[in-house]
Amino acid sequence: DQQVKQNSPSLSVQEGRISILNCDYTNSMFDYFLWYKKYPAEGPTFLISISSIKDKNEDGRFTVFLNKSAKHLSLHIVPSQPGDSAVYFCAASPLNLYGGSQGNLIFGKGTKLSVKP
Amino acid sequence: DSGVTQTPKHLITATGQRVTLRCSPRSGDLSVYWYQQSLDQGLQFLIQYYNGEERAKGNILERFSAQQFPDLHSELNLSSLELGDSALYFCASSASPGQGYGYTFGSGTRLTVV
Repeated sequence: DQQVKQNSPSLSVQEGRISILNCDYTNSMFDYFLWYKKYPAEGPTFLISISSIKDKNEDGRFTVFLNKSAKHLSLHIVPSQPGDSAVYFCAASPLNLYGGSQGNLIFGKGTKLSVKP
Repeated sequence: DSGVTQTPKHLITATGQRVTLRCSPRSGDLSVYWYQQSLDQGLQFLIQYYNGEERAKGNILERFSAQQFPDLHSELNLSSLELGDSALYFCASSASPGQGYGYTFGSGTRLTVV
């Protein structure tokens, strides 16, 4: 049973336009949500995160939105660049029984973003 | 270079065999995490160590085991290998176990079981 779901395996966007990557989760016991980017033959690299008590976090061209009532988060990339072409993983940090961070991350299956020049 | 070193980068072995994957965490990081990425699957959490102690377990098979040594490097042992164990195995490290963000991943070991 997947707790973090990325329902779109791929997304193609024109350079300069907005890329919107979506993620849904089924468990409310997460304290942070994160996005990682992965290029071929490399490990995932941390991109941006958001605390479960916030609804928006922005870092340059990247903005993550969190809708807790819908258990949904999205990553917006504006403007998209060809170098953004990669696989993007959504991840969630589960809480332990004591309300602290468990330490591990639960990942979705990823969305492959292609930005066309 | 992320600072997390995984060896070997590629490994081809036969079914029934045993292999050891090695990970050196980023300098100063005490926590090590192991993940498996199979075809069409996301990153599946296997196990976490903090300063030599097992901290959390995920979907790790009984045929798999891991440990973290006093110098903080970690090894993931996979035995009685099956074709379905073919995957990318990633190691990640962080400064503390409660830090649920900001992992640093290595570039992975690609295991092929034939």
